[in-house]
Amino acid sequence: GAVVSQHPSWVICKSGTSVKIECRSLDFQATTMFWYRQFPKQSLMLMATSNEGSKATYEQGVEKDKFLINHASLTLSTLTVTSAHPEDSSFYICSARDRGQGGTEAFFGQGTRLTVV
Amino acid sequence: AQSVTQLGSHVSVSEGALVLLRCNYSSSVPPYLFWYVQYPNQGLQLLLKYTSAATLVKGINGFEAEFKKSETSFHLTKPSAHMSDAAEYFCAVSDFGQFYFGTGTSLTVIP
Repeated sequence: GAVVSQHPSWVICKSGTSVKIECRSLDFQATTMFWYRQFPKQSLMLMATSNEGSKATYEQGVEKDKFLINHASLTLSTLTVTSAHPEDSSFYICSARDRGQGGTEAFFGQGTRLTVV
Repeated sequence: AQSVTQLGSHVSVSEGALVLLRCNYSSSVPPYLFWYVQYPNQGLQLLLKYTSAATLVKGINGFEAEFKKSETSFHLTKPSAHMSDAAEYFCAVSDFGQFYFGTGTSLTVIP
């Protein structure tokens, strides 16, 4: 159990285009999902927290108009990188909190490697 | 506020030697602590987790970690390093599902 599926696993896009990344909890309901970003040779940094049916909460320094997050259901959250630029190239990882387990931990997707050319 | 500190961004050990990766945490509540491994160009793989049960936690691939409240530590160990253990290791603390990661330790195994 507790499987989180993230799609796509990698994507290459042209500068100026938008890219959507999906995060799905396959066998549990996730009222909260988290989006992290990892630059090469660095740790994971929280970008935003999304709660089902409400607006996402963004960490300081993260542009909410550039990184659009939608959490329309208990099993799906999406991150859209709008007007992508090469500096947005990074590894993006989502996680989902299982409300059925007291919400004390979360489970990670496989990550999406975004390359903007 | 929650945070973790990983001492040593790079650790090198000989194959067959003891692996010790250090992690200290700061938490205002009883912590949920995790160790993850990340291989190049891959996602996170959970090695083990501490969730207030036994203080000595056994994980996959022969790894284990001991929660020491008095030292606010959660160090990761493995008795005998294998070449396949070479990877990046992250210690993390969870605050109701929001993870705070350490800066990571890159483990090199020397044949």
